Parts: sequence; structure tokens; C-alpha cells
Amino acid sequence: TQLLEQSPQFLSIQEGENLTVYCNSSSVFSSLQWYRQEPGEGPVLLVTVVTGGEVKKLKRLTFQFGDARKDSSLHITAAQPGDTGLYLCAGAPGGQNFVFGPGTRLSVLP
Amino acid sequence: DAMVIQNPRYQVTQFGKPVTLSCSQTLNHNVMYWYQQKSSQAPKLLFHYYDKDFNNEADTPDNFQSRRPNTSFCFLDIRSPGLGDAAMYLCATSRDFRELLSTDTQYFGPGTRLTVL
Repeated sequence: TQLLEQSPQFLSIQEGENLTVYCNSSSVFSSLQWYRQEPGEGPVLLVTVVTGGEVKKLKRLTFQFGDARKDSSLHITAAQPGDTGLYLCAGAPGGQNFVFGPGTRLSVLP
Repeated sequence: DAMVIQNPRYQVTQFGKPVTLSCSQTLNHNVMYWYQQKSSQAPKLLFHYYDKDFNNEADTPDNFQSRRPNTSFCFLDIRSPGLGDAAMYLCATSRDFRELLSTDTQYFGPGTRLTVL
């Protein structure tokens, strides 16, 4: 059983479209991280969300942490081909080791 | 400047021939992790060091060992690589992971892609 679920698993969209990907758990996380990983590279941290209900913006990316700190979403506005990659959410429930969700593989077509 | 460095980026070994992957960090972080990532899958934690304390995940095969001679360096040894061990191996660090500091973030190296012939 995955502690973190992500949806959708795959997403292919046209340049300029908006999209939202989700990260869900039945466990409470004190924080969640979002990473983007490009082929052949390690994951790169995008953001850490800490407070329930928190919204963080990073240029065209908007991250939200659920009020109950069990879920998070990533919204991308006007997607560009450079946004293509594997988006991973991760966190450490109750001080345990970090766990990763299975990821959402995003493809933005020019 | 690179903070988590992995060498080599690509490693080819033969079936059954021992191989060592290396990781170094300039962040002076307490915790170092090794992950295995197979194609189209999320990273899977193999083990981690909290300072000198080694913590093995329950399902990590005995074939995988690790050494951390000092704060900066950590090695992954695969004693007898099998074809199923071909993967990307990721090293990561974090300052701490105790509950009080659970907002801590992991920083990843670029990975070493291992091919087993």
C-alpha cells in the first residue's frame, strides 16, 4: 500500500494549457515536498509546504497543502515544453523516513 | 556549485562483478540516503545513514551494502550485481529527519545509471 498516491499517472497536454496534479494520503504529513525529475537526472526540489491550507507560488506553478495536511496539489498555468518531466511528491509521515509518491509523468507538446 | 555529487554518472559492470558507487556532499548534512530508481518508477529507499548510524530498509537485498567513512562521503557497494539491479541510483542528503525537524528537505545528486551486462 502506497502512503502517497498521485494522480493522474500520465498527462499529455498542449503548450499553453493549464493542468493540476494531485498527491493524496490517508496519513497526516507535517510537510510535503514536490520535486521535478527530468530523464537521466536526480529529482530537483520545487517547493516544501508546511502549514495546512498553505498556498505557494513559483512563477507559473501554484502549490497547495490541504487543510488536514493529507493532500496537496500542483497547478501549472500555461504549460510549456520545459515543464515536461516526472513530478513527485514526498514527505515524512510522523517523523518516519521520507516516502515518495509514484509520480505524475507530464508531457507538454509544442 | 554542486552540493551532492555522484560519481560516476554512468557505470557499466558485468553480471556478478562487484561495483561501488560514490556520493559526496558539501552541505555538511547529518543524513545521507541511497535510493534505487527503475525506469518509470519512483525512487525506492535502500538505506540511510544518520551520522554513523546505518539504517537498512527491511526489503533491501543483502547484495547491497553501504559505507560512510566521514560526513561528506557515502558509498554504495553492490557485491554481486544481477541483471535486475540495473537502475538509476540516487544519493540524497538532509540536515535531519527527527520529528521536530520534519520540515527538512532532501537534496538529490544527479544519480548514477548502472548497466549490468
